[in-house]
Amino acid sequence: QLQLQESGPGLVKPSETLSLTCSVSGASIDISHYYWGWIRQPPGKGPEWIGSINYTGRSYHSPSLKSRVTISSDTSKNQFSLRLSSVTAADTAIYYCAADVGGGDYMAVWGEGATVTVSS
Amino acid sequence: QSVLTQPPSASGTPGQRVTISCSGGSSNIGLNTVSWYQQLPGTAPKLLIYSNNQRPSGVPDRFSGSKSGSSASLAISGLRSEDEADYFCASWDDSLNGHWVFGGGTKVTVL
Repeated sequence: QLQLQESGPGLVKPSETLSLTCSVSGASIDISHYYWGWIRQPPGKGPEWIGSINYTGRSYHSPSLKSRVTISSDTSKNQFSLRLSSVTAADTAIYYCAADVGGGDYMAVWGEGATVTVSS
Repeated sequence: QSVLTQPPSASGTPGQRVTISCSGGSSNIGLNTVSWYQQLPGTAPKLLIYSNNQRPSGVPDRFSGSKSGSSASLAISGLRSEDEADYFCASWDDSLNGHWVFGGGTKVTVL
């Protein structure tokens, strides 16, 4: 059974870099069926896609966040990671990792989410 | 502001049918499939409908999806108290090198 779990600091200072890791179990991240994505949801709002990475290590990013986002993968640990630079209070949200089937078909499985607050 | 437009709320009494709309455009729903997600309070989203109208195993057939042109809808028939949740739609958008777009979510209340 495919499962994902986010981990990382819950508090980040303004202007610093947010870093999160998603650990995947039940499937290898280097198989072609899935892309591996990051989505965030600010309090009381709808989700926003941040970006995804595929089995070759190629990453895709939201047009609005592209300049600040880095997504990478570590196949030896079966993990993929998110780095979001120069954060502000507007980046406060629940951050989810998810298994994106086919890179645009649907998000089959989501992690439980990691709450990240940007505050000094 | 979300790219896909959903009503902020919907409600019904137990046993009723509730429908949620999701309006998009020619670069997203008009070209690609729609998926729907259920988010119970304080939990992560869960896939409810994929490829416009397909249910993953374990999702009751009370939930159904449809798509027409650049719009989609989710119907919940035989509404139950445990259906009280947020529901949001999603689709791939082919503009700007491609990206996912989501609806803002619809809060379903069981009266």
